[in-house]
Amino acid sequence: AQRVTQPEKLLSVFKGAPVELKCNYSYSGSPELFWYVQYSRQRLQLLLRHISRESIKGFTADLNKGETSFHLKKPFAQEEDSAMYYCALRYGGATNKLIFGTGTLLAVQP
Amino acid sequence: DADVTQTPRNRITKTGKRIMLECSQTKGHDRMYWYRQDPGLGLRLIYYSFDVKDINKGEISDGYSVSRQAQAKFSLSLESAIPNQTALYFCATSDSGANVLTFGAGSRLTVL
Repeated sequence: AQRVTQPEKLLSVFKGAPVELKCNYSYSGSPELFWYVQYSRQRLQLLLRHISRESIKGFTADLNKGETSFHLKKPFAQEEDSAMYYCALRYGGATNKLIFGTGTLLAVQP
Repeated sequence: DADVTQTPRNRITKTGKRIMLECSQTKGHDRMYWYRQDPGLGLRLIYYSFDVKDINKGEISDGYSVSRQAQAKFSLSLESAIPNQTALYFCATSDSGANVLTFGAGSRLTVL
């Protein structure tokens, strides 16, 4: 069965430090992966998706099929990056269902 | 105005009561979803609908029912609420041509 694992509930870093939020997945089909972010008092929203291969707000994520990972990275954390981050896997073909990881709370200290 | 609107935003109720959470959208999306969010468990899919005549169960549909009254409206009902249904509930929409979800602001439900 499909699964998304985010091993860290909380990641605390200092401003300017590199950030890596880990995400591993299990899926027998061709994976499509996303990172969603929820800032304080805001809605859950898409941060980036692997097929776009783009950098959003300085974040990047590369799909590694060999390691079944989709880690989110940023070289220099900013305080405004503090938020809850969810990794998600699209499954079910045309049904467009997402399975979410348990989330990682990123806290960037000044 | 928000694209995906959920009402109520907060609700406290008692065990055994019937509760309805409503979701409406102005995005013109055909697909709508209900998720619940619990600390340490992330978001889990309750029900989803591809159009007015299409309703599908998600991972955790027991104890819930839904109604797709129109393309723009998708409501979630708890026929007899129980305390372990205390959670934050999210409605989301997507276009059949895209794989990105647009979320509502959430409805926080507390069952005493």
